[in-house]
Amino acid sequence: KAGVTQTPRYLIKTRGQQVTLSCSPISGHRSVSWYQQTPGQGLQFLFEYFSETQRNKGNFPGRFSGRQFSNSRSEMNVSTLELGDSALYLCASHSWGNTGELFFGEGSRLTVL
Amino acid sequence: AQTVTQSQPEMSVQEAETVTLSCTYDTSESDYYLFWYKQPPSRQMILVIRQEAYKQQNATENRFSVNFQKAAKSFSLKISDSQLGDAAMYFCAYRSAYGTQAGTALIFGKGTTLSVSS
Repeated sequence: KAGVTQTPRYLIKTRGQQVTLSCSPISGHRSVSWYQQTPGQGLQFLFEYFSETQRNKGNFPGRFSGRQFSNSRSEMNVSTLELGDSALYLCASHSWGNTGELFFGEGSRLTVL
Repeated sequence: AQTVTQSQPEMSVQEAETVTLSCTYDTSESDYYLFWYKQPPSRQMILVIRQEAYKQQNATENRFSVNFQKAAKSFSLKISDSQLGDAAMYFCAYRSAYGTQAGTALIFGKGTTLSVSS
């Protein structure tokens, strides 16, 4: 069974640009969550999608957005990039339900110059 | 709001020895889940062990076990017979068990980097 796939793995942007990251969950998983990982703030929850609907959102500004498609693939977008947005963005897929294990992808490393 | 604290930024252990990683959390909820995740240098996070708060028995997975003290809000991870492959960053995480709106948002600690020497 293929794992969670995130693309691109690495990318470099400049301030003010926007970026889109993609996540393909494990086959059969309908829920996708996104996390931001930085050395200073650690791992922080961004948002969660289930059946194309955002079910939960973390404390991030509106520049961070996401969506989920009918095939459960998800994208997150960051507009007007700031230097502080440099981070590893992790996607996790899971079966819906509070006991479901989260399976993480390898992440997308974003560097903002 | 719930918080998770890992007070040991770095730990080291020799092969075949035992090491314990500490985690404390703060919550007013009575039902929740606690996890230990491992993130090796390749960065893919994998679940090590999970504990449901309503279960008094400590979870065990092969060489990994936890000491769950609900009243003290403590959730430590013990790694027995440490191996070189155990070297990684370990994260303690909390998840509410209430309602669908709680979803599966994990609250992570800052992590403990474990090094294993031969």
